[in-house]
Amino acid sequence: QVQLVQSGAEVTKPGASVKVSCKASGYTFTDHFIHWVRQAPGHGLEWMGWINPNSGGTNYAQKFQGWVTMTGDTSINTVYMEVRLRSEDTAVYYCARGNGPGVNYYGVDVWGQGTTVTVSS
Amino acid sequence: DIQMTQSPSSLSAYVGDRVTIACRASQSINNYLNWYQQSPGQAPKLVIYLASNLQSGVPSRFSGGGSGTDFTLSISGLQPEDFATYYCQQTYTTPLTFGGGTNVEIK
Repeated sequence: QVQLVQSGAEVTKPGASVKVSCKASGYTFTDHFIHWVRQAPGHGLEWMGWINPNSGGTNYAQKFQGWVTMTGDTSINTVYMEVRLRSEDTAVYYCARGNGPGVNYYGVDVWGQGTTVTVSS
Repeated sequence: DIQMTQSPSSLSAYVGDRVTIACRASQSINNYLNWYQQSPGQAPKLVIYLASNLQSGVPSRFSGGGSGTDFTLSISGLQPEDFATYYCQQTYTTPLTFGGGTNVEIK
């Protein structure tokens, strides 16, 4: 079945970087964009950006420009999201598949299980 | 950025009730509006895309409507598994923004 499996929880200090992976299976990896969405404890959803695994092209929310890097490896059907952390970045980070090949208008239809990133000095 | 405002922020209802959640965009987004359901400790789930299209596998008691700036999500005949938080999201332009969420609780 179609699924996205993310890497495990991380605990890190402010100023450090963490790289979260998202491995896709059950569909043609290069057909769908992958989005990253985060959710701080007790808060709502926040879109961070997307990557086109086919071209490597990315689109980041301005808030995350310079702090986040999204990359992909088509040989292992995996995308990565690396973020340089501040204390307010403690959150669950989700990857999610664009609903529909090559487009982003239809939302995201398959989500990873989430990766909890805790930032603490 | 386009701001998405949901109302109410929470509501209480009985099993079997019909509920409606509203979502307003700060500018016209045509019909590029999606709805998600999130249960505690779970990843969100896509319920409605492009304002009124039921995602595959979602029960027909869910329906969506609206265009431009004003949208609704309705659930007719609430079931125990429907008690969750619902988010709207615009996909008209980046950054793709979400509403603040509506928590649907059991009365």
